[in-house]
Amino acid sequence: DGGITQSPKYLFRKEGQNVTLSCEQNLNHDAMYWYRQDPGQGLRLIYYSQIVNDFQKGDIAEGYSVSREKKESFPLTVTSAQKNPTAFYLCASSIDWSGFLGGYTFGSGTRLTVV
Amino acid sequence: ILNVEQSPQSLHVQEGDSTNFTCSFPSSNFYALHWYRWETAKSPEALFVMTLNGDEKKKGRISATLNTKEGYSYLYIKGSQPEDSATYLCASIYSGAGSYQLTFGKGTKLSVIP
Repeated sequence: DGGITQSPKYLFRKEGQNVTLSCEQNLNHDAMYWYRQDPGQGLRLIYYSQIVNDFQKGDIAEGYSVSREKKESFPLTVTSAQKNPTAFYLCASSIDWSGFLGGYTFGSGTRLTVV
Repeated sequence: ILNVEQSPQSLHVQEGDSTNFTCSFPSSNFYALHWYRWETAKSPEALFVMTLNGDEKKKGRISATLNTKEGYSYLYIKGSQPEDSATYLCASIYSGAGSYQLTFGKGTKLSVIP
């Protein structure tokens, strides 16, 4: 079955450490996205990529980095520069940037906790 | 940053009742409106994507309308069932500076009481 796989489901990080969240899709989608959810807030866009080897900052990109070397993969690195990294992270993909054909497909998320 | 508002924040309805929620968004530079259903412990699932003013879409007992001129969309659920319990998200795509980003509201949490 096609879908998006995020790993790990839960992640604990010590302050000052970088950590990478994995996102893989086998849907042959061109566009991929990273969102963050905090309590009482809507999903906020961190980074997005409309095509391989290209990505753009979203609304809250500071302290994060991404790469898009393969169509299937869009890993997110949470760096030590991110002031408040504890959150729930969702990865998504779509056939194209508009999501007009079927909307976005989401992974099951990674909950990151800084200890 | 685009502001997408959803109301109510949460509601409880009895099984069999019909209900509706609202999504408001800025109408300038509007491109498309998405609705998602997010059940607990699952991934958000796309319900509808709408672009044209006056669009109406239906999937089973759930339907949605779109008014791009005044910047709102309604989601209707007819004859609510316990399995409809979820958070319903709306999101708007706008065009700005050559980029297209999907911006989400905070969601409406629906609880259907058996």
